[in-house]
Amino acid sequence: GAVVSQHPSRVICKSGTSVKIECRSLDFQATTMFWYRQFPKQSLMLMATSNEGSKATYEQGVEKDKFLINHASLTLSTLTVTSAHPEDSSFYICSARKPTLNQGEQYFGPGTRLTVT
Amino acid sequence: GNSVTQMEGPVTLSEEAFLTINCTYTATGYPSLFWYVQYPGEGLQLLLKATKADDKGSNKGFEATYRKETTSFHLEKGSVQVSDSAVYFCALSDLRGLTFGKGTHLIIQP
Repeated sequence: GAVVSQHPSRVICKSGTSVKIECRSLDFQATTMFWYRQFPKQSLMLMATSNEGSKATYEQGVEKDKFLINHASLTLSTLTVTSAHPEDSSFYICSARKPTLNQGEQYFGPGTRLTVT
Repeated sequence: GNSVTQMEGPVTLSEEAFLTINCTYTATGYPSLFWYVQYPGEGLQLLLKATKADDKGSNKGFEATYRKETTSFHLEKGSVQVSDSAVYFCALSDLRGLTFGKGTHLIIQP
């Protein structure tokens, strides 16, 4: 199997605080992890791609100083939303890709619902 | 750049009806193609995939064939169930990762 977990599943925080979301590949090593954001009834928007041991690659329009990504090991990537504001409220989903020759599929975590009050 | 276009929903069908969700793509090279499904409140699950032209992906009664000549990957199921109600995303895989369509909300009524 290929299981990806996220923690927490839901979080409510006050405006101005920071929130960390963890993404773990439970039964495989993931050289590449991805972070997506999903607005209600919309598709997933890729925020950034992180490779173990190197800096994340952010998509255009995504503030790297606001959305800090750390891929510290082959099984863990974290997304920290710094100085959160209500407009950051969203569903954040991570995914992980196995190190195969082909680009292949990604395995998705169950998502984290962030609400900023 | 690469892009995926899929039919907009919601699509509402009666149980046991035939389902088709259209998906077309624009890409350079030869991407892999996927259908993902998202049930309410959950993350995405891989439904099926095809990695080269004329490949047919299938799972849980769903099928899709990679048609290079029409750049399409339409999702079909012969007889849908209420439990198939979900949002379905067509996607292609390129060097950056996955590019998703906007999703199609499928509602199956008993």
